[in-house]
Amino acid sequence: NAGVTQTPKFQVLKTGQSMTLQCAQDMNHNSMYWYRQDPGMGLRLIYYSASEGTTDKGEVPNGYNVSRLNKREFSLRLESAAPSQTSVYFCASSELDRELFFGSGTQLSVL
Amino acid sequence: AQSVTQLGSHVSVSEGALVLLRCNYSSSVPPYLFWYVQYPNQGLQLLLKYTSAATLVKGINGFEAEFKKSETSFHLTKPSAHMSDAAEYFCAVKGYSSASKIIFGSGTRLSIRP
Repeated sequence: NAGVTQTPKFQVLKTGQSMTLQCAQDMNHNSMYWYRQDPGMGLRLIYYSASEGTTDKGEVPNGYNVSRLNKREFSLRLESAAPSQTSVYFCASSELDRELFFGSGTQLSVL
Repeated sequence: AQSVTQLGSHVSVSEGALVLLRCNYSSSVPPYLFWYVQYPNQGLQLLLKYTSAATLVKGINGFEAEFKKSETSFHLTKPSAHMSDAAEYFCAVKGYSSASKIIFGSGTRLSIRP
C-alpha cells in the first residue's frame, strides 16, 4: 500500500534556485494539500486542491505555485527559493470527512 | 473561516498523571475535528476524529476527546500518562463542505516526567 508518495525526501538549494516537490496518492482521494512545518508554528497550509482541476490558496501561499496534474498528482513549485522557505514540507490527501493521509515529508534547506 | 487555537505550547506531566491538551476551534458550522500525534523525527499519525456521530470520541493509545459545541472545544485527555506519550500533538479542523480546507493548530509538546 503506497498511500501518499512524496519526493524528494531531502533537498538543499541555493537562494534563487527553483525546484518542484512531487506528490502522488493512490487512494482515489479528491482533496490534496501541501503544508509546511516549522518549529512552534505547527503545520501551515500552503495550497490545497479540493478536486481535480481546482486549486486554492492556504495560509502561506506566497513564493509557491501548485499544479493539480490529475486526480493522483499535486506538485509544489518554488520558483526562486529563499532562506525563509527552509522547512519540512508535507503533502497529504483526504476525502470529505476522513482524516488526512500524509506523505513522509521533504526536508528542504535554502542556503 | 475556520481556525484552531491550542492553549499551551508545552505541557509537562508526571508519569501516571492525567493528560489534558486543550483545543478550541472557530467555525461557522459544526466542523470535523481531528487530533494528530507526531513522535520525534516521524510523520503525523491520526489519534482520533470527530465527525458528528458521537461527542465523546475514543482514539488510539488510550486517548479520548470530547466535542463541546457550547464551548467550541475539543480537548484531548488520557487518564494516565506513559513515557511513550511524549510527542507533539496537533488539533485540526475541517469545515463541513467537501471544498473545506483542513487547518492545524500550532501544536502542543507533551513531556512526561518519570
